[in-house]
Amino acid sequence: DAGVTQSPTHLIKTRGQQVTLRCSPKSGHDTVSWYQQALGQGPQFIFQYYEEEERQRGNFPDRFSGHQFPNYSSELNVNALLLGDSALYLCASSLWVAGEREGEETQYFGPGTRLLVL
Amino acid sequence: GQNIDQPTEMTATEGAIVQINCTYQTSGFNGLFWYQQHAGEAPTFLSYNVLDGLEEKGRFSSFLSRSKGYSYLLLKELQMKDSASYLCAVVDDTSGTYKYIFGTGTRLKVLA
Repeated sequence: DAGVTQSPTHLIKTRGQQVTLRCSPKSGHDTVSWYQQALGQGPQFIFQYYEEEERQRGNFPDRFSGHQFPNYSSELNVNALLLGDSALYLCASSLWVAGEREGEETQYFGPGTRLLVL
Repeated sequence: GQNIDQPTEMTATEGAIVQINCTYQTSGFNGLFWYQQHAGEAPTFLSYNVLDGLEEKGRFSSFLSRSKGYSYLLLKELQMKDSASYLCAVVDDTSGTYKYIFGTGTRLKVLA
């Protein structure tokens, strides 16, 4: 059973460039969340995708956008890169649980993509 | 607003017991997760609490008091491999959406 996978593992870009990160969820999961983790900090929620739509969003500018495909995989796009965008980008997948237990689903994280902006 | 507080660092000895505290303030609470993260790796799930009380899972236990906005993770019989960051994450369901709010993490060093 494959867990959450992400690509690439490492990436170096320069200011102003654009980047696309990819994530494949754990088998059986339908929801993908993206996080940014700066060194020494906890993960910061960027957004979450379910049924190919952005369902929730954290406090990140519109430069951060995403997409979910019919096979539940997802992409994170960041435009006009800034030095401050250098971080570990984590993807987490989960299975959406409706009803009384909505919001209780456990998220499983991928290994992350380490982005360095020069 | 939302706020999660954890100690930045803790040190303990192999074989000992350590308790990592987490306090939180959220508009809408819908559960609390603990994750373990080794340096350079992804967070891995340890526990989930949504009701008050203690959840035990092997050497790890997690406690929640919703009225106090407080949780702790208890690690028993510490091993060297337990040296890692421990992240407290609260599910906030303000306005009917669910956001996972992480603390900055507690870096635990286990000494021989």
